[in-house]
Amino acid sequence: AQSVTQLDSQVPVFEEAPVELRCNYSSSVSVYLFWYVQYPNQGLQLLLKYLSGSTLVKGINGFEAEFNKSQTSFHLRKPSVHISDTAEYFCAVGSGTYKYIFGTGTRLKVLA
Amino acid sequence: NAGVTQTPKFRVLKTGQSMTLLCAQDMNHEYMYWYRQDPGMGLRLIHYSVGEGTTAKGEVPDGYNVSRLKKQNFLLGLESAAPSQTSVYFCASSYITGTGGTEAFFGQGTRLTVV
Repeated sequence: AQSVTQLDSQVPVFEEAPVELRCNYSSSVSVYLFWYVQYPNQGLQLLLKYLSGSTLVKGINGFEAEFNKSQTSFHLRKPSVHISDTAEYFCAVGSGTYKYIFGTGTRLKVLA
Repeated sequence: NAGVTQTPKFRVLKTGQSMTLLCAQDMNHEYMYWYRQDPGMGLRLIHYSVGEGTTAKGEVPDGYNVSRLKKQNFLLGLESAAPSQTSVYFCASSYITGTGGTEAFFGQGTRLTVV
């Protein structure tokens, strides 16, 4: 069975500071990994994805993530956050079983 | 581009009432999903479909039924609503490429309150 763990339920950070949101997964098969962002009262929007190839993937809004197979991690990073990055972020894993399993989410709060 | 459209966006039900949530996608995707989102629990898969006429149970299927009579539509039914089904419901769709997986595309959600 697959699972996704987002250890940090909330992350406060000051504007223009760097941020890392952690995601660990478990799976017995090859996986695809995703980060989604959800702004208040909206649906989920894809930030970035890892399907294969380079382990460092870049997404929208200046975010990037690194797939680490040995540590089964896919942490999301941004070197300098903005107030507009305040949102909830979800890590997800998919596989050939056609299902996507989501973590419990991390609320990023950017402080002025 | 419409993408994934959910109807309705908001609904209040009384305990015991029934309703159907409609999801429509215009991307010709094979796979469709229904998730529920609850505070602190992320998104949990209710049911999913890998093609027209086929459905399967996800993590939390009890109290829900689904149908996929047309490729573009995926319906979620609540036969007898309970307060525990108060949640935000998201529909998603995806497709398979020659190299394997892709991301899921989400609708804007349906906020359901059962009183």
